[in-house]
Amino acid sequence: GAGVSQTPSNKVTEKGKYVELRCDPISGHTALYWYRQSLGQGPEFLIYFQGTGAADDSGLPNDRFFAVRPEGSVSTLKIQRTERGDSAVYLCASSAGLNTGELFFGEGSRLTVL
Amino acid sequence: QQQVKQSPQSLIVQKGGISIINCAYENTAFDYFPWYQQFPGKGPALLIAIRPDVSEKKEGRFTISFNKSAKQFSLHIMDSQPGDSATYFCAAVNSGGSNYKLTFGKGTLLTVNP
Repeated sequence: GAGVSQTPSNKVTEKGKYVELRCDPISGHTALYWYRQSLGQGPEFLIYFQGTGAADDSGLPNDRFFAVRPEGSVSTLKIQRTERGDSAVYLCASSAGLNTGELFFGEGSRLTVL
Repeated sequence: QQQVKQSPQSLIVQKGGISIINCAYENTAFDYFPWYQQFPGKGPALLIAIRPDVSEKKEGRFTISFNKSAKQFSLHIMDSQPGDSATYFCAAVNSGGSNYKLTFGKGTLLTVNP
């Protein structure tokens, strides 16, 4: 597709379960970002990939959160032992590279932890 | 510490009126200031952006005014239309850093009445 694709669009899980959220960026975009958006808030930075490596993971809230991008394209955000406070919309964005001035966001994956 | 403060939280404007949203930042290393527009169920999309070497940038009905000394910037939407009803986020970034980590404001929910 032409835009950033995120799956699933909605995920409901129980406290303590493991969750994976997938992001397929725009073809050719080398930079990939994960943000988290809580209700009524702006997106908050989680992690940034340039190619396959995580260039900045300073926004990950704790070690239950992990993200990979093994081939420099698709990325997976992994959340272990989910907690109710993890409930949010997880947004993925991509860009053509540093300092391009624009991030292209997907529609997000809404995670609800019961 | 909230690095980008946005106001108002919500705004109601009549069709044809001017919508004004204000943001203030603290980090003087920020050098790129985009505005994103988000419709319900969608990801944020870049609307317009400015760098601090200019005091104003206009694109169609949308204008950013920038005051570097006051560390403030604002979005003006002229001739507001019902289709402009959305949540608007200001953001800031230090583009000279090793990543492109956007810091977002909390958002303004704009409603334009017909």
